[in-house]
Amino acid sequence: NAGVTQTPKFRILKIGQSMTLQCTQDMNHNYMYWYRQDPGMGLKLIYYSVGAGITDKGEVPNGYNVSRSTTEDFPLRLELAAPSQTSVYFCASSYSSPWGNQPQHFGDGTRLSIL
Amino acid sequence: DAKTTQPTSMDCAEGRAANLPCNHSTISGNEYVYWYRQIHSQGPQYIIHGLKNNETNEMASLIITEDRKSSTLILPHATLRDTAVYYCIVRGGGADGLTFGKGTHLIIQP
Repeated sequence: NAGVTQTPKFRILKIGQSMTLQCTQDMNHNYMYWYRQDPGMGLKLIYYSVGAGITDKGEVPNGYNVSRSTTEDFPLRLELAAPSQTSVYFCASSYSSPWGNQPQHFGDGTRLSIL
Repeated sequence: DAKTTQPTSMDCAEGRAANLPCNHSTISGNEYVYWYRQIHSQGPQYIIHGLKNNETNEMASLIITEDRKSSTLILPHATLRDTAVYYCIVRGGGADGLTFGKGTHLIIQP
C-alpha cells in the first residue's frame, strides 16, 4: 500500500506565483485533511473534506483553496504565494465510522519556500 | 476539543521503558485520547488511542486514569529510533482535524 502520497516533496516559489500541492490516497478513506507546520510548532488545519464534492475550512484557510472531485485526490491550491506561506504541508486521510474516531494517516509532506 | 498539557522534553535510556505523561483535565465523556509522534519532520505517525480502558498494541501501551484527566504513553523498550516529538491529542467524534500542541520531545540516550 502506498498510503498517502504527496507531490512535490520540495518547491521554491516566487512571491505572487501560484501552485497546486497534490495529495492522493489509496486506502478508500472518506476523510481527507490539509495541515501546515511552521518551524518548531505543531500542525495547524487548513482545510478538510468528508467526501467527494464536500470541503470545509479549518483553522488557517486564508490564502488557500481546495477541491475534492474524487475520493482519492485532495489538491491544495495557493493562488498568490506570500512569504508567510513558507511552511511544511502535510496531507492526511482517515476512515469515517459510526463512532467517528479513526486515526489519521499522514503523507511525508511538501516543503515549500516562498522567496 | 479539550486542551492537553505535556512536558516540553524528556530523556530516556535505550532499552528502558519511556513513560510520557499527558494532562487533559477538561476532557469530556465522548472524547478519545490519541497519541501521535513525528520523527525528524516526517509526517506524524499514529501510535495508539483510547477512551477509558487501557490499550496496548505492537508499538506502545496507553494508560488512562480512572477520572480520565490524565494519561501515560509507555514505550516498553525504547530504541534510538524512538527519538521524536510525541503529541497527546484529545478529540471527539466527527470529521474535524486534529489539534496539535507542541508535544514532548523524547530523546533516547545510548
